[in-house]
Amino acid sequence: GQQLNQSPQSMFIQEGEDVSMNCTSSSIFNTWLWYKQDPGEGPVLLIALYKAGELTSNGRLTAQFGITRKDSFLNISASIPSDVGIYFCAGRSSGGSNYKLTFGKGTLLTVNP
Amino acid sequence: NAGVTQTPKFQVLKTGQSMTLQCAQDMNHNSMYWYRQDPGMGLRLIYYSASEGTTDKGEVPNGYNVSRLNKREFSLRLESAAPSQTSVYFCASRSPNANLGYTFGSGTRLTVV
Repeated sequence: GQQLNQSPQSMFIQEGEDVSMNCTSSSIFNTWLWYKQDPGEGPVLLIALYKAGELTSNGRLTAQFGITRKDSFLNISASIPSDVGIYFCAGRSSGGSNYKLTFGKGTLLTVNP
Repeated sequence: NAGVTQTPKFQVLKTGQSMTLQCAQDMNHNSMYWYRQDPGMGLRLIYYSASEGTTDKGEVPNGYNVSRLNKREFSLRLESAAPSQTSVYFCASRSPNANLGYTFGSGTRLTVV
């Protein structure tokens, strides 16, 4: 089946630092999504990307859909303590009614005040 | 509040016991999904239902059954629980608007002893 490699697995940073994480796929995706999971909660959608080369921002978050359609990047600028959580990438490879997402294994982010 | 509601939030079972995890969404979504989350493994799809009356296996269906009772409700059943099924279970539903991805519930934390 499809596999997503998400890196890094975990990050420990100081408040105010910028953060970058990425996902690579063994196959082409036509949709990339980035989710954040707060402790004890379900994942919440942060950014959705639908076009190769697309660059989209949501506040301090910026994500890009790679030109090859096999990768995506998420950057967080000027991190704050509430950025703590697990960040997941997710991708979808085909259209039609059979809509299923494949998730990466997540990046655990810790922000030291 | 509109969203995905999961019950119970926590459950402890003995090996061999059975139970049903409940999920309901009030957003009139057609597609619903069950995932399990384990440390270092990310989110893995157990079963999904593309529409009312249909269900399909995901990546890790063994030991589980599902029922799409109506458009709102999608339940997950463990007939004979095993310690390997200790996990956090998430239900999700998908909007017809592809831009919105999945909406997740807050999870059920299951421990099998």
